[in-house]
Amino acid sequence: EADIYQTPRYLVIGTGKKITLECSQTMGHDKMYWYQQDPGMELHLIHYSYGVNSTEKGDLSSESTVSRIRTEHFPLTLESARPSHTSQYLCASSGHVLSGYTFGSGTRLTVV
Amino acid sequence: GENVEQHPSTLSVQEGDSAVIKCTYSDSASNYFPWYKQELGKRPQLIIDIRSNVGEKKDQRIAVTLNKTAKHFSLHITETQPEDSAVYFCAGTGAGSYQLTFGKGTKLSVIP
Repeated sequence: EADIYQTPRYLVIGTGKKITLECSQTMGHDKMYWYQQDPGMELHLIHYSYGVNSTEKGDLSSESTVSRIRTEHFPLTLESARPSHTSQYLCASSGHVLSGYTFGSGTRLTVV
Repeated sequence: GENVEQHPSTLSVQEGDSAVIKCTYSDSASNYFPWYKQELGKRPQLIIDIRSNVGEKKDQRIAVTLNKTAKHFSLHITETQPEDSAVYFCAGTGAGSYQLTFGKGTKLSVIP
């Protein structure tokens, strides 16, 4: 079944560690997005990509980076995690401009 | 860019009553307005959407209305049930834009 997959589902790491959150989709979509969301709260766009080798920063300042080497894969990397990075990270993808987004199940990150 | 305002931020209704959530947008060229439902601990899921050439759309107990002149759109849920309890997000996209701008969300609680 076509979907968007995020791993890991939960992650607890120590301050200063480098981490990569994985996002892959089998929707055949060309556009992908990363959002940061505290539980039940506002969605904050941190990165987006409209295709391979195209990445842009979103509205929320973030110390993370992304890459888009393959259409279906859009990983997010934190070079040095801090407690302020504790949050849920949601990946999404979209195809046609009038079709909306499909969200992944999210990665809940806790930095201790 | 597009700005989407959503009200109320919280809403409590008795089971069986109706619930209405309202959103306004700033870009008169916006042409696509989806609504997402996010249950506790789960991903946002598209529940209904409307395009700018349509004034109303219904799907069983949920409906969305769009007033392009006033630049606002609303989600209507009739005969509410406890499983309707969730956070609801409206969104809009400007003409020619791939990105959705989300409202800040409404936490709906349906009291049995």
